[in-house]
Amino acid sequence: GAVVSQHPSRVICKSGTSVKIECRSLDFQATTMFWYRQFPKKSLMLMATSNEGSKATYEQGVEKDKFLINHASLTLSTLTVTSAHPEDSSFYICSAGVNTYNEQFFGPGTRLTVL
Amino acid sequence: AQTVTQSQPEMSVQEAETVTLSCTYDTSENNYYLFWYKQPPSRQMILVIRQEAYKQQNATENRFSVNFQKAAKSFSLKISDSQLGDTAMYFCAFTIFGNEKLTFGTGTRLTIIP
Repeated sequence: GAVVSQHPSRVICKSGTSVKIECRSLDFQATTMFWYRQFPKKSLMLMATSNEGSKATYEQGVEKDKFLINHASLTLSTLTVTSAHPEDSSFYICSAGVNTYNEQFFGPGTRLTVL
Repeated sequence: AQTVTQSQPEMSVQEAETVTLSCTYDTSENNYYLFWYKQPPSRQMILVIRQEAYKQQNATENRFSVNFQKAAKSFSLKISDSQLGDTAMYFCAFTIFGNEKLTFGTGTRLTIIP
């Protein structure tokens, strides 16, 4: 149980285009979903927290208009990188939270490369 | 603000040996959870072990155990009988009870040598 999927696993796009990444909790309903960014050999940096039906809460320094988060249901959250640029290239990871023990279950990540 | 510190960027041990990864944290809260996550080369984050701060007994999961010292704000991970599959980045993480946001340490890259 507690499986989180992400799609796509890899995406390459041209500069200026938008990319959507989906995060789904497959066998449970997540109270909260989180989006992280991870640079090579670095730790996870929390970008935003989203709850179903409400606006996402962004961490300081994260551009809301650049990284659009939609949490349409208790099992689906999407991250759209708008007008992507090479500096947006990174590994993006989502997680789904359950209240029990404050535990988060992580998706497998999406590698975004912007040319 | 909560901080998590992992002072060992890299470690390596021979297969079958025991290794201990260090983690310290800073918080003024009394009720919280501590975690160790493993990130293998596939980059899938996997929960290794969890400790509730109100529990004095150290958590154990098979070959993995922790040494939780609340007063010292220390939370080390011991891996016994290390296996090649243990090669990964290990992240210590902290969350306050009732708040699901995780604060991660910078990670320790562990290599198990055959």
